[in-house]
Amino acid sequence: GAGVSQSPSNKVTEKGKDVELRCDPISGHTALYWYRQSLGQGLEFLIYFQGNSAPDKSGLPSDRFSAERTGGSVSTLTIQRTQQEDSAVYLCASRGAGELFFGEGSRLTVL
Amino acid sequence: GQQLNQSPQSMFIQEGEDVSMNCTSSSIFNTWLWYKQDPGEGPVLLIALYKAGELTSNGRLTAQFGITRKDSFLNISASIPSDVGIYFCAGHGSGNTGKLIFGQGTTLQVKP
Repeated sequence: GAGVSQSPSNKVTEKGKDVELRCDPISGHTALYWYRQSLGQGLEFLIYFQGNSAPDKSGLPSDRFSAERTGGSVSTLTIQRTQQEDSAVYLCASRGAGELFFGEGSRLTVL
Repeated sequence: GQQLNQSPQSMFIQEGEDVSMNCTSSSIFNTWLWYKQDPGEGPVLLIALYKAGELTSNGRLTAQFGITRKDSFLNISASIPSDVGIYFCAGHGSGNTGKLIFGQGTTLQVKP
């Protein structure tokens, strides 16, 4: 597709389970970002990938959160041992020469 | 770390009114961006500013990059119901141009 694609769009899980969220960036975009948006809140930076450089992980809230980007394209955000406070919309964005383009997000609900 | 303070937090206005919102930071930003987010969607870029003092318009929207590089404002003229949404400022800091920091957002409601 032409835009950033995220899946699943909605995920309900039980506390303690692991979840994986996927992001397909716009073809050719070298930079990929993950943000978290809690209900009624702004966008919290999580992690940023740029080409083959080491990712900027400075926003990951705990070691239960990790992300990888395979082949410089698709990215997966993994949350281990989910907690209720992890419930949020997780937004992915990619960037080429211009500014960020966002996907529609993956809404995670931890029961 | 670098933070952006956005105000007001929310606005409820009458259709046809003009709107103004702003963002400030204690540190310098190299770019200022304004995004709009509709319910259930990801943010969409409205205006990008790259030089201190720059004033840019996009239809009824006007934004300026503050001369000190520590602030920016967004104005919406003659608001219409479809302007409803959350507006975010964002910026690339001076130390790390890749990382994009967002303000807390301004929720705009327009009464027809």
